[in-house]
Amino acid sequence: AQSVTQLGSHVSVSEGALVLLRCNYSSSVPPYLFWYVQYPNQGLQLLLKYTTGATLVKGINGFEAEFKKSETSFHLTKPSAHMSDAAEYFCAVSDLSTGGFKTIFGAGTRLFVKA
Amino acid sequence: GAVVSQHPSRVICKSGTSVKIECRSLDFQATTMFWYRQFPKKSLMLMATSNEGSKATYEQGVEKDKFLINHASLTLSTLTVTSAHPEDSSFYICSAPGLAGGRGPYEQYFGPGTRLTVT
Repeated sequence: AQSVTQLGSHVSVSEGALVLLRCNYSSSVPPYLFWYVQYPNQGLQLLLKYTTGATLVKGINGFEAEFKKSETSFHLTKPSAHMSDAAEYFCAVSDLSTGGFKTIFGAGTRLFVKA
Repeated sequence: GAVVSQHPSRVICKSGTSVKIECRSLDFQATTMFWYRQFPKKSLMLMATSNEGSKATYEQGVEKDKFLINHASLTLSTLTVTSAHPEDSSFYICSAPGLAGGRGPYEQYFGPGTRLTVT
């Protein structure tokens, strides 16, 4: 069965500092990997996704993530944090073993950005 | 891009009553939709897979008689919380998988969520 582990329920960075949110997955077949962002009392917004092809994926708002099969990781980074990046971030995985469409989420990481 | 709506966005109901939440795909057809539940400051827990024209598939531990799902058309799925109790208070989010526009079949389009409070 597939699963997602996000290391660190809370991450705090200073404005302008590097953002690194960690995600490791477990999947018996090639996975499709996603990062979503959620602002308070709102639904989820897709930041970026990896399906096939280039392992370094660029998303919206300056975020990017790299799929590393050998490490079963898909860490999210942003070179310079902005106050507006403060939110909850979810890593997610889906694959054909679950019928193709089912998505499983990690526990989430709350990002705090200090002025 | 693809849009999924939910109605209502917030609902308060009394214990023992039933509440229906609608999930609509506005500009695309969705034979499959998913219902998630999110507790405060927690992740999304997949409750069930809604299948158009057939029975929903529930995840382990989710009471199907408690959470009734109906997927009557290609653009509408409903979740009814029957005989609601305070412990059912939560944020309910639906999603539909993307099927067109070059975005692949595995991306989920999420609704904005419904905040249910049972008093």
